[in-house]
Amino acid sequence: EIVLTQSPATLSLSPGERATLSCRASQSISTYLGWYQQKPGQAPRLLIYDASNRATGIPARFSGSGSGTDFTLTISSLEAEDFAVYYCQQRTNWPAKLTFGGGTRVEI
Amino acid sequence: EVQLLDSGGGVVHPGGSLRLSCVASGFSFGRFAISWVRQAPGKGLEWVATSHVSGNNKYYADSVKGRFTVSRDTSENTIYLQMNSLRGEDSAIYYCAKELVPGAFRYFDSWGQGTLVTVSS
Repeated sequence: EIVLTQSPATLSLSPGERATLSCRASQSISTYLGWYQQKPGQAPRLLIYDASNRATGIPARFSGSGSGTDFTLTISSLEAEDFAVYYCQQRTNWPAKLTFGGGTRVEI
Repeated sequence: EVQLLDSGGGVVHPGGSLRLSCVASGFSFGRFAISWVRQAPGKGLEWVATSHVSGNNKYYADSVKGRFTVSRDTSENTIYLQMNSLRGEDSAIYYCAKELVPGAFRYFDSWGQGTLVTVSS
């Protein structure tokens, strides 16, 4: 089973700063990684798929990179609405299973 | 507009059963896999099960295999999650979610609002 480890657990930053979130896979997953944002009381929202593709309607300040086992989500300049929890996610081909990382909380 | 409306949550005793529903609209229901993802209070996300469009393919997390069953009614655009032998650790908000690319079963681009399941004596 592939395990996704996110770091740091919490990131304390100010509006306007750059946020860099990490997700490490226990074995290579090529570029098959997604990133989600979740705000309190809301369902998750897809931000990035296939490691670097922004989902529909996602602002350009969100970018993803990486391949193999190391991935990064970057928020170039934090806005007030970006303070939330971020999860990475991947799917194992066989057996078909999906796993999420433990999450990174971005707080003021 | 894509919409997923999940419902059916509630309070149930350990060992009991519950059936969740997810009614979909705004897209070609028969082309997309729909999954259930849960989130225990204050915890992270956990994939639970997926109803794939390919034949009767269904996939389950090890933690629910043999206890939960996912099914779909294409005529009603509805996905169900039958949950049996419920345990305290099954307490969570359950979300239904639609896959991004038809048949890829890889990412979720639309989510329901969530329905809360509490297993308690």
